[in-house]
Amino acid sequence: AQSVAQPEDQVNVAEGNPLTVKCTYSVSGNPYLFWYVQYPNRGLQFLLKYITGDNLVKGSYGFEAEFNKSQTSFHLKKPSALVSDSALYFCAVREGTGGFKTIFGAGTRLFVKA
Amino acid sequence: DVKVTQSSRYLVKRTGEKVFLECVQDMDHENMFWYRQDPGLGLRLIYFSYDVKMKEKGDIPEGYSVSREKKERFSLILESASTNQTSMYLCASTGTGELGEQYFGPGTRLTVT
Repeated sequence: AQSVAQPEDQVNVAEGNPLTVKCTYSVSGNPYLFWYVQYPNRGLQFLLKYITGDNLVKGSYGFEAEFNKSQTSFHLKKPSALVSDSALYFCAVREGTGGFKTIFGAGTRLFVKA
Repeated sequence: DVKVTQSSRYLVKRTGEKVFLECVQDMDHENMFWYRQDPGLGLRLIYFSYDVKMKEKGDIPEGYSVSREKKERFSLILESASTNQTSMYLCASTGTGELGEQYFGPGTRLTVT
């Protein structure tokens, strides 16, 4: 069965510092991995995805994520955090041959302090 | 840009009422989804549909039903609302092919009293 773990409920970082939001996954086949962001009172917005190819994927708003197959991780990173990055971040996984069903993590709330 | 709209942003209903939540997408997507979002639990799939009049149960279908009479519209129905259905409901869509990300509506915050 597919599963996603976001081990941190909350991440606090100072503006200008690098940020990392962690995600680990479990699937039986090849994973399709996604990050979404949710701003207050809004729906989820797609940030980036890994399907195949380069393990480092770049997405919207300067975010990137690194796929690590041996550690079954897909951590979200940004070199320099902005206050406006404060939001709820969701990692999601879909099994490569499993159709459209996507499993979402519980979410990590990011606070960026000025 | 893909646009997914939901009929209400906030809704307050009484226990036992029948509740309709509607979702419309404008990108001719085949696949549409209904999730509920609860703190600490992330998003849980209620139902999804991969074609008109087709539906599949997700992880938590109990107490819900869906309708998809037209490609662009996917409705979630709470037959008899209960207080444990108080939640944020999110609709999403995606096109044919397994590689695509989902596009989400703004959500409906439903309160059942």
